[in-house]
Amino acid sequence: DIQMTQSPSTLSASVGDRVTITCRASQSISNWLAWYQQKPGKAPKLFIYKASSLETGVPSRFSGSGSGTEFTLTIDSLRPDDFATYYCQQYKTYLGTFGQGTKVEIK
Amino acid sequence: QLQMQESGPGLVRPSETLSVTCSVSGGSIRSSSYYWGWIRQTPGKGLEWIGYFYYGGTTSYNPSLKSRVTISEDVSKNQFSMDLRSVTAAETAVYYCARHRWGEYSDSWYIDFWGQGTQVTVSS
Repeated sequence: DIQMTQSPSTLSASVGDRVTITCRASQSISNWLAWYQQKPGKAPKLFIYKASSLETGVPSRFSGSGSGTEFTLTIDSLRPDDFATYYCQQYKTYLGTFGQGTKVEIK
Repeated sequence: QLQMQESGPGLVRPSETLSVTCSVSGGSIRSSSYYWGWIRQTPGKGLEWIGYFYYGGTTSYNPSLKSRVTISEDVSKNQFSMDLRSVTAAETAVYYCARHRWGEYSDSWYIDFWGQGTQVTVSS
């Protein structure tokens, strides 16, 4: 199985900050990576696929980059609605696997 | 607009079978564009893919669960279900039904739509 490791586990930030979350794969996954946002008590929501493609309706302050084994999710100018947990997921193999999540909390 | 709604027992006893159903509206499980399946979430293991089906009979399961899980479809009701046999307390989780989108030129999927989830507790 491909292991996905996110860092940090928790990130404290303020409204207006630029934040970056990192996701590392245990082997190369090309650009077959998705990012999801999850709020407490809710289902995850697709934000980015193919490492950098924004899902329809996702604000442009979100961006993704990377290929191979290292990827980043960046939020420019953090807004109150962005405080949530973010997960990456690889889809290089049929057994898609998720990172453990990064919680973005209010500083 | 697509809606997916899980229904489940809430509580299942250890060693018994966990059965959950997903009712789909605003879209058809006969669509050739998507796969339909299940993902669970626990505080300890996080998000874990269980499996999916594709209209017409194709199924794929997580190898760690393959011997105990069955995903089936009811096209007449636009629903699909999952049975997980011989459950343990460690399988207490929120179970999500999920629409899988196949990655273009990829060999795999990501989830473009999730149901709201149903909490299932395994306890005697």
